[in-house]
Amino acid sequence: DTGVSQDPRHKITKRGQNVTFRCDPISEHNRLYWYRQTLGQGPEFLTYFQNEAQLEKSRLLSDRFSAERPKGSFSTLEIQRTEQGDSAMYLCASSLAIGQRQIVEAFFGQGTRLTVV
Amino acid sequence: GEDVEQSLFLSVREGDSSVINCTYTDSSSTYLYWYKQEPGAGLQLLTYIFSNMDMKQDQRLTVLLNKKDKHLSLRIADTQTGDSAIYFCAESGRLTGGGNKLTFGTGTQLKVEL
Repeated sequence: DTGVSQDPRHKITKRGQNVTFRCDPISEHNRLYWYRQTLGQGPEFLTYFQNEAQLEKSRLLSDRFSAERPKGSFSTLEIQRTEQGDSAMYLCASSLAIGQRQIVEAFFGQGTRLTVV
Repeated sequence: GEDVEQSLFLSVREGDSSVINCTYTDSSSTYLYWYKQEPGAGLQLLTYIFSNMDMKQDQRLTVLLNKKDKHLSLRIADTQTGDSAIYFCAESGRLTGGGNKLTFGTGTQLKVEL
């Protein structure tokens, strides 16, 4: 198991373009989270999935952002009509819950650094 | 509300102990975490503590929790140059369906000097 994998590691895009990022969680982890980290700040929660269901979204997630986890394994985060303010590191994390028991550790990927020019 | 605060910088000499402090506001947090981030990299989970514990030790790391004052600290013994990184404190909150939302501080940049 190689941990949480994110692709691409870096993305430079022009303002107004759409971008899509992918996250592959640790296998068998049923919970998947997206966070955004801007320069000099800690990560901020964006959204989370339990299996394929998106159960919660932050107010930070504008209508231009959409996330999916179609088969309960990998997830994608799409940003439409990118703006310069979207420039940030997008981090994915996964964790495991079995019934009522949750493994409390969340493991993060290396992130995708987005630069909007 | 949720708010986590940390000092921005800490500089120590190699071999000394480092103590990184954090204050949080959500008294209902079940777990509190310390993560490490090296330049250009993701976050590495270092350790976490359950809210009904006062202390947790894991090799060179010691976490102290003062729940009354909502104060968390991370002590790194025998600090090495490889410990130079940004350290994030995070408090946990419950999400719909039982998920665990982390609220992070702004991070403390630890610089280890020879």
